[in-house]
Amino acid sequence: ETGVTQSPTHLIKTRGQQVTLRCSSQSGHNTVSWYQQALGQGPQFIFQYYREEENGRGNFPPRFSGLQFPNYSSELNVNALELDDSALYLCASNKGRGAGVTEAFFGQGTRLTVV
Amino acid sequence: GENVEQHPSTLSVQEGDSAVIKCTYSDSASNYFPWYKQELGKRPQLIIDIRSNVGEKKDQRIAVTLNKTAKHFSLHITETQPEDSAVYFCAASPSNDYKLSFGAGTTVTVRA
Repeated sequence: ETGVTQSPTHLIKTRGQQVTLRCSSQSGHNTVSWYQQALGQGPQFIFQYYREEENGRGNFPPRFSGLQFPNYSSELNVNALELDDSALYLCASNKGRGAGVTEAFFGQGTRLTVV
Repeated sequence: GENVEQHPSTLSVQEGDSAVIKCTYSDSASNYFPWYKQELGKRPQLIIDIRSNVGEKKDQRIAVTLNKTAKHFSLHITETQPEDSAVYFCAASPSNDYKLSFGAGTTVTVRA
């Protein structure tokens, strides 16, 4: 067990609604990254938080936003949901600033379905 | 930004044979190359990684090779077993960058 936990595991939302996904990082890790994985595709980087500040962002619109808390847990918020937002949302934590500094451990993901 | 391409998209091998998955990357600044295994419905798990100061790394039946000049790296699985059946993703990142750029994945099926 890697220690990264996400909630909820599954979620169904209606187009136009808002959703909040949560991630608890592994103990000792101060960086959390969020990825979107569409069916049959590799994970796509959304953004990363390091010590409560955004440390980089991928090619996602502003309706995707996030937070990192003092205990290094994190939230991903998506406003005005679209059908194309249906995907597996993964968070990954690692120690140190940047993705390649140390091994990134993934959570089990939240499967979001937008109808 | 970094673009990672992965081939093949599917791979079927007989148990006991070898499997090879190849990835190319575009950003010459990339120097960290992890490989993840994702079983159906489960989280991606790191199986091996390599940094650009080495050309090859082995861990039991798994090995990764890196050619920085050609900007490609490969995963080699020897003596494949049914439990090796999964989707494998390669990724690349500069060590001071904030993200991993993933390939599209290879679905490996090991036939008993």
